[in-house]
Amino acid sequence: NAGVMQNPRHLVRRRGQEARLRCSPVKGHSHVYWYRQLPEEGLKFMVYLQKENIIDESGMPKERFSAEFPKEGPSILRIQQVVRGDSAAYFCASSPRDENTEAFFGQGTRLTVV
Amino acid sequence: QKEVEQNSGPLSVPEGAIASLNCTYSDRVSQSFFWYRQYSGKSPELIMSIYSNGDKEDGRFTAQLNKASQYVSLLIRDSQPSDSATYLCAVNNFNAGKSTFGDGTTLTVKP
Repeated sequence: NAGVMQNPRHLVRRRGQEARLRCSPVKGHSHVYWYRQLPEEGLKFMVYLQKENIIDESGMPKERFSAEFPKEGPSILRIQQVVRGDSAAYFCASSPRDENTEAFFGQGTRLTVV
Repeated sequence: QKEVEQNSGPLSVPEGAIASLNCTYSDRVSQSFFWYRQYSGKSPELIMSIYSNGDKEDGRFTAQLNKASQYVSLLIRDSQPSDSATYLCAVNNFNAGKSTFGDGTTLTVKP
């Protein structure tokens, strides 16, 4: 799991600003997942992406949140006009394929909205 | 009903005892099952995967799967204080292409 790189590790934003979270998957992995973990709660699925495609975004809030995984470069989770309720740990995970394969997690980005 | 449910905990066991963590899932076509351990403030790390009915042992850890009952468990033998963490059950569905996580069970092993 050390191969999944997330940055920044900690991010502080004022209400109304934009937050951009980056995730570089393990080399060779083409599947990326984003999860959110609110304080004292479990992991909640947000979005599943393959290169240049959003496969499942059923866990994404309808507004302000978007994700991409371009052909080149890291996956980006973008939160516009952040609110205090967005404060959480955001974990990215990657896998080489989408069947019967465990996900390897990055260290997470801890977003604090002040 | 949640897709993946775990016993809510927290679970406390004395050092050296067996810790038993349970997980049920609702999607009958799920194919693969994972247990992750998450220390406070850290990311989840995979500790066990199981794909077929029965038991799978790895050191002090044993995963048990019963697809008919839609149940998967994790046993930790000879529990150590270093096992104190939150344990997350994850279930994969090939068609969904993602792992669905339970909310986790927090285990405390007391010296």
